[in-house]
Amino acid sequence: EAQVTQNPRYLITVTGKKLTVTCSQNMNHEYMSWYRQDPGLGLRQIYYSMNVEVTDKGDVPEGYKVSRKEKRNFPLILESPSPNQTSLYFCASNGGAADTQYFGPGTRLTVL
Amino acid sequence: SQQGEEDPQALSIQEGENATMNCSYKTSINNLQWYRQNSGRGLVHLILIRSNEREKHSGRLRVTLDTSKKSSSLLITASRAADTASYFCATGNYNQGGKLIFGQGTELSVKP
Repeated sequence: EAQVTQNPRYLITVTGKKLTVTCSQNMNHEYMSWYRQDPGLGLRQIYYSMNVEVTDKGDVPEGYKVSRKEKRNFPLILESPSPNQTSLYFCASNGGAADTQYFGPGTRLTVL
Repeated sequence: SQQGEEDPQALSIQEGENATMNCSYKTSINNLQWYRQNSGRGLVHLILIRSNEREKHSGRLRVTLDTSKKSSSLLITASRAADTASYFCATGNYNQGGKLIFGQGTELSVKP
């Protein structure tokens, strides 16, 4: 089954404790993205990747890092999480530029 | 930055009625897409309309695109309680690295 998976689905952590949210897709897609969703602010792109080792900042990249060492994986790293990074995070992939995006189930992160 | 502006922000109708949601954008696009999100879940792609298309249908969905007005509308006919969800438009531009820019969404409630 074609899908995008994210782990963990729920995470509660404390300020400053490094964490990684994993994302994996099995559709051999070139493009992958990370978004955060906050009430009243909609979906905002954090980072995206056009291929292995090619990444670029989205609209809200501060406080986040990404890497794309393999085509299927695109982890999101928070080196020193802060409470304003409490949010619902989505990973997505698409096969071509501006093509249909397939979304993961989301990761709800709470930073205390 | 969010390109898509959606209108209305919230819409409440009775089952059987039609629901119309609008999306406006600011820059040139190659396509415009509509997505649906059930509460707290990942977005699901509904329909994609290319910049050279004016209207597209998929089941009970009808999408129009007016590039001269930089606007699109999504019509859901004969709505059902199961259509209750948030609906997002997203614009795609090949020159922007293939990224999609999402609007803030319309929250649709269909009462049985």
